[in-house]
Amino acid sequence: AQKITQTQPGMFVQEKEAVTLDCTYDTSDQSYGLFWYKQPSSGEMIFLIYQGSYDEQNATEGRYSLNFQKARKSANLVISASQLGDSAMYFCAMREGSINSGGSNYKLTFGKGTLLTVNP
Amino acid sequence: DGGITQSPKYLFRKEGQNVTLSCEQNLNHDAMYWYRQDPGQGLRLIYYSQIVNDFQKGDIAEGYSVSREKKESFPLTVTSAQKNPTAFYLCASSMLAALQETQYFGPGTRLLVL
Repeated sequence: AQKITQTQPGMFVQEKEAVTLDCTYDTSDQSYGLFWYKQPSSGEMIFLIYQGSYDEQNATEGRYSLNFQKARKSANLVISASQLGDSAMYFCAMREGSINSGGSNYKLTFGKGTLLTVNP
Repeated sequence: DGGITQSPKYLFRKEGQNVTLSCEQNLNHDAMYWYRQDPGQGLRLIYYSQIVNDFQKGDIAEGYSVSREKKESFPLTVTSAQKNPTAFYLCASSMLAALQETQYFGPGTRLLVL
């Protein structure tokens, strides 16, 4: 089973509008971390935002916010006021805390990504 | 400026040849990682290292080898045993191999087979 599922292969948004990129995850651990990265066409992975499983409030970083719904196991990325420079691949990733569940605290498990295109 | 550098940006491998990808960081991070990315896919972990002179296999270590002789450096060798090496290789580092520690990535090396 996929540990990280990103159901939107591609998304389009108009400049200055908000967009939500979906991410659902699968883990039996109580302790885990969720990350979003941006990968422009140059290839470098750029860290955007982090949410810990015990964090009670949704994480925010500038125009990025994470809509964390623990019971639904979803961690959607919301980008407000989209800019042309936001056009890129976006990856959701998870770090699990328990070796016993098959995870460990050393690796990130990535989804397949969503290609976001911002139209002028 | 602190960061992670990878070289070369592009690398060509002939059949049966071993090639080495360089990764250097000046962030004073303890942990370093190598990931492989295939087209249209997310990243998969090849190897990781938490401290100098120690490293562990990831999910797809077969056909690869690493060394960690210095804290700043974590080179990856793609051996002739790796039958499908064409991919984008990304190196990352973090303060500790801990749950909340963010991994920061280098610019990547694209490996192509001639």
